[in-house]
This record gives sequence, C-alpha cells and structure tokens, in this order.
Amino acid sequence: DGGITQSPKYLFRKEGQNVTLSCEQNLNHDAMYWYRQDPGQGLRLIYYSQIVNDFQKGDIAEGYSVSREKKESFPLTVTSAQKNPTAFYLCASSRDYQTRGQFFGPGTRLTVL
Amino acid sequence: QKEVEQNSGPLSVPEGAIASLNCTYSDRGSQSFFWYRQYSGKSPELIMFIYSNGDKEDGRFTAQLNKASQYVSLLIRDSQPSDSATYLCAVMESGGYNKLIFGAGTRLAVHP
Repeated sequence: DGGITQSPKYLFRKEGQNVTLSCEQNLNHDAMYWYRQDPGQGLRLIYYSQIVNDFQKGDIAEGYSVSREKKESFPLTVTSAQKNPTAFYLCASSRDYQTRGQFFGPGTRLTVL
Repeated sequence: QKEVEQNSGPLSVPEGAIASLNCTYSDRGSQSFFWYRQYSGKSPELIMFIYSNGDKEDGRFTAQLNKASQYVSLLIRDSQPSDSATYLCAVMESGGYNKLIFGAGTRLAVHP
C-alpha cells in the first residue's frame, strides 16, 4: 500500500533534549512538508521541500531543523531551542507544485515533560 | 499576512440535514482550494478540491467557490453522525510552491 508513515506515534521528551520525528513516503511524491497543530488552531507550516537536498523555511521554522537526503524521507528535528514544542506534528507530501492537494501521515504527538 | 477564516463552531445539525461550512480568504491571487476532514486525534484527510468558480459535486459533498467574493463553502447533504469532525479549509498561496494556508477549522456535530 502506498502512503505516508510517521514514527513514533507518541513521543515524550525532557526539556533540553533534541528529538527527531520520522516521516517516510512511498508515493513517489516530490514535495514534502512538516506542520504543527496546536489545540483549536489550524496547521502551521514548519519546513517544506520540493526536491531532494533542498528545503525552505515555513512560517514557524525557529527551533526546528530538517534534512532531505532521499526522496522518500523528510525527518524533522525539534531542538532544545524550540520554546514550546508540545504539539501534534504532521508530515505531508504532494506530487509537485501542480498538485491536487497534500496528503498527510498519521502524525506524531510530542509532549515535553 | 495571508489568512483563511472559518467559524470555529460547533455547527450542530440533525441527521439527514444539509450542513453548510464556510471559509473566506485574503489572498486574492489564490487559485486552488481544498477541504480536509479531521477526526479528533487523527490527521487531516482530503475530501474535496476546487479550482474554478461555481460548484463541484462529489457524492454527498459539494464545494462552492466564488473568487470575486473570496469565499469557499462546503455543503454536506444527508448528514450522518459519522460526518461529525472538524473541517479544515485550505488555500494554496499565490506565487508559492504549493504552500497551503489553513483555517482553524469548523467543528461539525451531527446528532441522531
């Protein structure tokens, strides 16, 4: 089955620790995205990548980093510099910029203790 | 700052009724519009997209677009309790690389 996978589903982190969230897709999509969702709010774009080895900051990139070494993979690192990292993190992909929408993985719920 | 506005709800409708969800956007150059359904604790699921003014129907769903008024709506006919979810409106930013701007969502509750 084609799709987007994210792991882990739940993640707990102590303050001051960096954590990496995994996102993998086998849809052969060129573009991948990371969003953050807080309760009662819409999705906010963290980073996006249109092609391998290239990515751009979204609206709330501070405290986050990404890499795109393979077309299938777009991991997100939440660093200790992120002031309020507790949130629901969503990875998405789309075929290209002429897409008919972005498709989401199941998400990772990060809680900072 | 480009924005997408939705009434947060909850919008409560009886089973079998038509649910009408509305969305306005500020980016006048936007050309592509999307509706996502999100169940509590789950990720968004794409249910409709529309590019042209007018109506687009898919099963019980109808998306309506009026670019002059910068207004998008989603109608759900014969609403079912399983339609109870948050509906997110998303607008593709003009001049961007498939960047979507999301509204905060409208929570729909369909009661038997």
